[in-house]
Amino acid sequence: DTAVSQTPKYLVTQMGNDKSIKCEQNLGHDTMYWYKQDSKKFLKIMFSYNNKELIINETVPNRFSPKSPDKAHLNLHINSLELGDSAVYFCASSRGTGSNQPQHFGDGTRLSIL
Amino acid sequence: DAKTTQPPSMDCAEGRAANLPCNHSTISGNEYVYWYRQIHSQGPQYIIHGLKNNETNEMASLIITEDRKSSTLILPHATLRDTAVYYCLIYSGGSNYKLTFGKGTLLTVNP
Repeated sequence: DTAVSQTPKYLVTQMGNDKSIKCEQNLGHDTMYWYKQDSKKFLKIMFSYNNKELIINETVPNRFSPKSPDKAHLNLHINSLELGDSAVYFCASSRGTGSNQPQHFGDGTRLSIL
Repeated sequence: DAKTTQPPSMDCAEGRAANLPCNHSTISGNEYVYWYRQIHSQGPQYIIHGLKNNETNEMASLIITEDRKSSTLILPHATLRDTAVYYCLIYSGGSNYKLTFGKGTLLTVNP
């Protein structure tokens, strides 16, 4: 079974549309994250949730809204998509927020804006 | 979190040990050294982490110098599938839960 799974794997859509990416983890972890990897391959944190509560929001535009219905899920909704949103979005989870807790990543959602 | 310095690229022959260095001279006492790798745009894969002592798991070994200012990730018998970008990160958790990824080292394992 896949530990951290994201859907869809690929998402191609037009500028201005609204889209959602879903993430689920079956590891029993309490903390989940969204990262963005741009065309230059830099990975940057966007959001982090611990026990369904937002704990990190890294100056991401308001068009991005994470939602955590329960500890196993962290979805990402994006309004009014822009060309610059094209990237690979990775979900991750960890047992907790301590320094001794590795994060485990999904395989990413490749978002392309036309 | 402390910054890390890694060589941009390295080569290794298949079957030989791959030794990937990382400098983290500003590391604090409560910060862990983490290693991840990313194979051709897949999700980052956790490899190993440590605080002071050397660590070994089924994937790799992590050697941390006594002053903790540098470390080496060792893949004992590199295979072609180990070709990837390897990231060394310093992580303290606490109020700053994010992992900060640098440019990493592109390891190419050659037949």
